Amino acid sequence: QSALTQPPSASGSPGQSVTISCTGTSSDVGGYNYVSWYQQHPGKAPKLMIYEVSRRPSGVPDRFSGSKSGNTASLTVSGLQAEDEADYYCCSYASSNNVVFGGGTKVTVL
Amino acid sequence: QVQLGQSGAEVKKPGASVKVSCKASGYTFTSYYIQWVRQAPGQGLEWMGMFNPSGGSTNYAQKFQGRLTMTRDTSTTTVYMELSSLRSEDTAVYYCARGRSTWSTMDVWGQGTTVTVSS
Repeated sequence: QSALTQPPSASGSPGQSVTISCTGTSSDVGGYNYVSWYQQHPGKAPKLMIYEVSRRPSGVPDRFSGSKSGNTASLTVSGLQAEDEADYYCCSYASSNNVVFGGGTKVTVL
Repeated sequence: QVQLGQSGAEVKKPGASVKVSCKASGYTFTSYYIQWVRQAPGQGLEWMGMFNPSGGSTNYAQKFQGRLTMTRDTSTTTVYMELSSLRSEDTAVYYCARGRSTWSTMDVWGQGTTVTVSS
């Protein structure tokens, strides 16, 4: 199972929006609405930010939103804040009971 | 509150095995999967496999087939991940995470266990 494709980096100024893409295939992202996004700060465990493409867990700000079109999922962070600077990983269920992660995107708040 | 507590750091020699524990608390142990994910230094997240505490079934990533074993102790609500025939490329932080039936949803994570493989 190949990793999902994410851009290595993205950036934006405080208050701006940044969108991260996550491209897979019809066997993972495109085939199921089971895409999630994780935020990871240096030295910390990942944190669930979005699940099932666009659902937000309790406690996650509504500045974070998710969507999907075909084989590509996206995470948008609106109203960027300093604490949003982190690595972000997409994750998808894949056929035959597998899970695949993206390579990660480092978001920098300028 | 819902927590996953992992065992401490390990240093192993190539060819050895390591067993990492993940103790669940604050929720019904058998109602959620336990996923294992690892992260090599400076690298991204890699899914290793899933364990279902209700019945003990497993699904391992193909990459780890034959080297990976997940087990449980229901009396202590603990899941174990054992990786054998260790090589230097297995040096990583190993995380357990509580998983939902959608598999990709991991809503609670352990603090991570650092495993270093070095001669």
